[in-house]
Amino acid sequence: EIVLTQSPATLSLSPGEGAILSCTASQSVGSSLAWYQQKPGQAPRLLIYDASKRATGIPARFSGSGSGTGFTLTISSLEPEDFAVYYCQQVNNWPPALSFGGGTKVEIK
Amino acid sequence: EVKLVESGGGLVQPGRSLRLSCSASGFTFDDHGMHWVRQPPGKGLEWVASISWNSGNIAYAESVKGRFTVSRDNAEKSLYLQMDSLRSEDTAFYYCGKDIGVGATTRFAYLDYWGQGTLVSVSS
Repeated sequence: EIVLTQSPATLSLSPGEGAILSCTASQSVGSSLAWYQQKPGQAPRLLIYDASKRATGIPARFSGSGSGTGFTLTISSLEPEDFAVYYCQQVNNWPPALSFGGGTKVEIK
Repeated sequence: EVKLVESGGGLVQPGRSLRLSCSASGFTFDDHGMHWVRQPPGKGLEWVASISWNSGNIAYAESVKGRFTVSRDNAEKSLYLQMDSLRSEDTAFYYCGKDIGVGATTRFAYLDYWGQGTLVSVSS
């Protein structure tokens, strides 16, 4: 089972600042990694897939990078609506399984 | 517009069963794999189960294997999760999600659309 570890658990920042979130896999997942955003009371929303591809309708201030075991989600300049919890997710082809990281909460400083 | 609507949640006693449904619209249902993901109140996301477009590839998390069964009815554009032998640790919001992959692939990938979730509470 591949374990995803996200850091930091909480990021306290001000609007306009940049955010860098990390996700580390216990073994290589290639580029098979996604990032989701979840706001209170809402379902998660896909932001990034295949490590660096933006999902439909996602603003350009969100970018993803990395491969193998280390991945990063960067938010270039935080908008008020970006304060939320972010999860990474990987997919294993055999045996087929998905797993999520524990999440990083981006909160207003 | 893609829409996923879960139903069937509620309060159930430990050891009992519950069946969740997810009704899909706005996309070609039988072109996509589907997933169930759960989230205990105030906690993180946990993958539960996945099923390919033709039900030929099915996978479960270890925590539910042998107790939960995922299925789909492509004619009804519906996804199901039969949950048996429920435990208190199964208490969570249950989300269904559409796989981003399209076409005759049985590989799973990412969830590009999610329902709003249905709450399952297991308690005596």
